[in-house]
Amino acid sequence: DAGVTQSPTHLIKTRGQHVTLRCSPISGHKSVSWYQQVLGQGPQFIFQYYEKEERGRGNFPDRFSARQFPNYSSELNVNALLLGDSALYLCASSRGWVKAGGPAYEQYFGPGTRLTVT
Amino acid sequence: GQNIDQPTEMTATEGAIVQINCTYQTSGFNGLFWYQQHAGEAPTFLSYNVLDGLEEKGRFSSFLSRSKGYSYLLLKELQMKDSASYLCAVRDWYGNNRLAFGKGNQVVVIP
Repeated sequence: DAGVTQSPTHLIKTRGQHVTLRCSPISGHKSVSWYQQVLGQGPQFIFQYYEKEERGRGNFPDRFSARQFPNYSSELNVNALLLGDSALYLCASSRGWVKAGGPAYEQYFGPGTRLTVT
Repeated sequence: GQNIDQPTEMTATEGAIVQINCTYQTSGFNGLFWYQQHAGEAPTFLSYNVLDGLEEKGRFSSFLSRSKGYSYLLLKELQMKDSASYLCAVRDWYGNNRLAFGKGNQVVVIP
């Protein structure tokens, strides 16, 4: 079975531009999460989607938005790019959504999109 | 909020044992994950602890103490391919899969 796929692999943009990153989860997985990983740091949570609804949002400005499609794939959009947005953007898929205190679903990460803003 | 702390780097010899520590503070704890990340690649899952104690998986073991907010990952019989960053991530209680990651601990294995 194919793992999590992301496109594009690498991207170079200039300040002020807009970017769209794409993610396809593992077949059968209904939840997608997005993380930003700046060089030398751990991944930082941006969004989680489950069944096309936003289920969690990290501490990121409104320039960041996302959506999930009926086939469970997802897009991350970033407007008005800043130099500080340069990072590896990771998508993680998991089987489902759990209620408070429920068991964790393992998250499987895609290879990431390396975004460079100049 | 959550605060996860890991040491930044360590060097160890092939065949040795290395322990990577992680301390955390969180308003609601519901599990701790360890991931391995090679340079330029995605994190890959190693282990998951939600109850106190030791979980063993081949050469890798992970320990959790919830009362101390502490976990460690033990890597035995180190191999050159184990050179990577090891990330500790905490999942909170509030009904989602959001993970809060530490900065990662870079392990360098030398011959």
